[in-house]
Amino acid sequence: DAMVIQNPRYQVTQFGKPVTLSCSQTLNHNVMYWYQQKSSQAPKLLFHYYDKDFNNEADTPDNFQSRRPNTSFCFLDIRSPGLGDAAMYLCATSRDVGASDGYTFGSGTRLTVV
Amino acid sequence: GEDVEQSLFLSVREGDSSVINCTYTDSSSTYLYWYKQEPGAGLQLLTYIFSNMDMKQDQRLTVLLNKKDKHLSLRIADTQTGDSAIYFCAERDDKIIFGKGTRLHILP
Repeated sequence: DAMVIQNPRYQVTQFGKPVTLSCSQTLNHNVMYWYQQKSSQAPKLLFHYYDKDFNNEADTPDNFQSRRPNTSFCFLDIRSPGLGDAAMYLCATSRDVGASDGYTFGSGTRLTVV
Repeated sequence: GEDVEQSLFLSVREGDSSVINCTYTDSSSTYLYWYKQEPGAGLQLLTYIFSNMDMKQDQRLTVLLNKKDKHLSLRIADTQTGDSAIYFCAERDDKIIFGKGTRLHILP
């Protein structure tokens, strides 16, 4: 089945230690997104890639970076995780920026910072 | 700025209808969505409505859109225990903006 896969499901990292979350898709969608979701809050868009073009949200901290080496994979790098970065990180894809059929989400990676 | 508001909790008795309400601010939204999130899972698209429609029905789900009041609702008929989840309202212009989600609790 075509899908969006996030690994790992749960990630524990030390305060200040770089961590990378991964996302892969078999949908061949052009756009890949990273959202941060904290408890009882709306998912917050961090950035997205349209093909190879990177689009950062204005309020995304510099601590968060992303890479998309090919159509299928997209990575979220947190350079120096703080306690406030503990959250669920959701990857999503869409066929196009203006597509009506919404985004397809992965199951998320829950990040704990100790 | 863009904002999506929805109540945080709703309790409904099994078999009754659930109605989850949402308001949004961006009048240029082209699509509006309802997503479902079960514990420990990602967001699953339930349904969407184009901004020039006022109603969409899909099996047990009915979406009503009042564009003048910027009000969107999701009605779930014959609510079942499997409907217990968080429901996110979302609007889209160039990107999707989510509300905080409504946690639907089913009473026996």
